[in-house]
Amino acid sequence: GAVVSQHPSRVICKSGTSVKIECRSLDFQATTMFWYRQFPKQSLMLMATSNEGSKATYEQGVEKDKFLINHASLTLSTLTVTSAHPEDSSFYICSAPDRDYEQYFGPGTRLTVT
Amino acid sequence: DAKTTQPTSMDCAEGRAANLPCNHSTISGNEYVYWYRQIHSQGPQYIIHGLKNNETNEMASLIITEDRKSSTLILPHATLRDTAVYYCIVYTNAGKSTFGDGTTLTVKP
Repeated sequence: GAVVSQHPSRVICKSGTSVKIECRSLDFQATTMFWYRQFPKQSLMLMATSNEGSKATYEQGVEKDKFLINHASLTLSTLTVTSAHPEDSSFYICSAPDRDYEQYFGPGTRLTVT
Repeated sequence: DAKTTQPTSMDCAEGRAANLPCNHSTISGNEYVYWYRQIHSQGPQYIIHGLKNNETNEMASLIITEDRKSSTLILPHATLRDTAVYYCIVYTNAGKSTFGDGTTLTVKP
C-alpha cells in the first residue's frame, strides 16, 4: 500500500520555541492531507485539513496562528507549532488519501515541550 | 460525518475469531465504512473498507448490514499481535475522518 512518512518521529523542545513537523506522501500525490492530535489514552482529534495551493481549514477550537500549516507541494505538508508550551505536548499524526481515496496515516510525531 | 459507536473493550482468545461491532445508524448513502487499528505510539493502520457489500482481504472481513446501520469487523484467527485499538469510521471519498473512541481488543493466550 501507499506510504506516508513523518519527520521527525520524536522531538523535544523548550517552551516558547517553534517546531516544524513534516508529512510526506512517498509514492502518491495528495492535494489534501489531514493533521490530527492524540493525547494519551484518547482518540485522534482532527485539527485541520491541509490543501495544496490554498489555505488550510481548521477545526473549531484549533488556533490557526498557533498551528501553522503549509501544503508546499503535492507530496508535502508541514505543521509548525509556534511558541510551544507544555500543554502542546502530544502525538501528532498526519494522513493523506491516495487516488483511490484510501486514507494512509503517517507513523506520528511525539512532541514533548519542556 | 456520521458518528460511530463501538464497545470500549473486548477480549479474544488467541486463534479464535474476533468479531468487532460498530454502529453507524446515521450513515449517509455515499459514506464508506473504514476500519483502522492503532498499536501504541504508532499511526493508525488501514485494515479494510466497504460501502454496502461485504468485503474480505488478507487481514480481515467486513460485514455490513443490509440497512448499512451497523457493521462487524472479523479477524478470523486472532494473534497476540492483533492486540490494538480498533477504530470504525465513516466518511465520503477524500473526506475528513472523525475518530470515535474505538474498541481496545486484547488477544489473550
